Amino acid sequence: AQSVTQPDIHITVSEGASLELRCNYSYGATPYLFWYVQSPGQGLQLLLKYFSGDTLVQGIKGFEAEFKRSQSSFNLRKPSVHWSDAAEYFCAPRPLDSSYKLIFGSGTRLLVRP
Amino acid sequence: GAVVSQHPSWVICKSGTSVKIECRSLDFQATTMFWYRQFPKQSLMLMATSNEGSKATYEQGVEKDKFLINHASLTLSTLTVTSAHPEDSSFYICSARDSEASGSLPGELFFGEGSRLTVL
Repeated sequence: AQSVTQPDIHITVSEGASLELRCNYSYGATPYLFWYVQSPGQGLQLLLKYFSGDTLVQGIKGFEAEFKRSQSSFNLRKPSVHWSDAAEYFCAPRPLDSSYKLIFGSGTRLLVRP
Repeated sequence: GAVVSQHPSWVICKSGTSVKIECRSLDFQATTMFWYRQFPKQSLMLMATSNEGSKATYEQGVEKDKFLINHASLTLSTLTVTSAHPEDSSFYICSARDSEASGSLPGELFFGEGSRLTVL
């Protein structure tokens, strides 16, 4: 069965520190991969996406993610966190079929210490 | 970028009444839209795929008679929660795919801001 796992429910980092949010997926074939961010009570904003090619993808707000096929992972990183990055982050694979259905991970809530 | 608008952004209703939530693609046509539900501090759960001009496709466990979906035009899908009960209180989010974007990469979806439903 297709699944996505975000093992960290909460992560707290100090402002200016680096960040890595984990995402692992289990699909028959490598899916398309997305990271979204959600501020409290808000909709979703796309941070970045991976379809093919270069395994290190750059996104908005200084985020990047690295696709590792051998580990079935697509971890999100940021070298220096800002207080405004505090939010919920969702990893969302999408299978290669034509359904366009995104399946969201359980999410990781990022807290930023001043 | 493409904009998806939801209305209302929040609604409070009495138990037993019906509530309609609209999802509009403002600057593109969307033959396919998706409805998600999100309970507090939880992830988004896909409820159904809304198809313009045809019946919606519901995910397993979602009651189609309770959550009526209508996608009568290329820019509008509506979700009606019928006979709402307190357990239907949730954050409902829609997303849409630009069906005419030839340069659009696969899987590019645009999300609305969500609609918070509270049933008393």
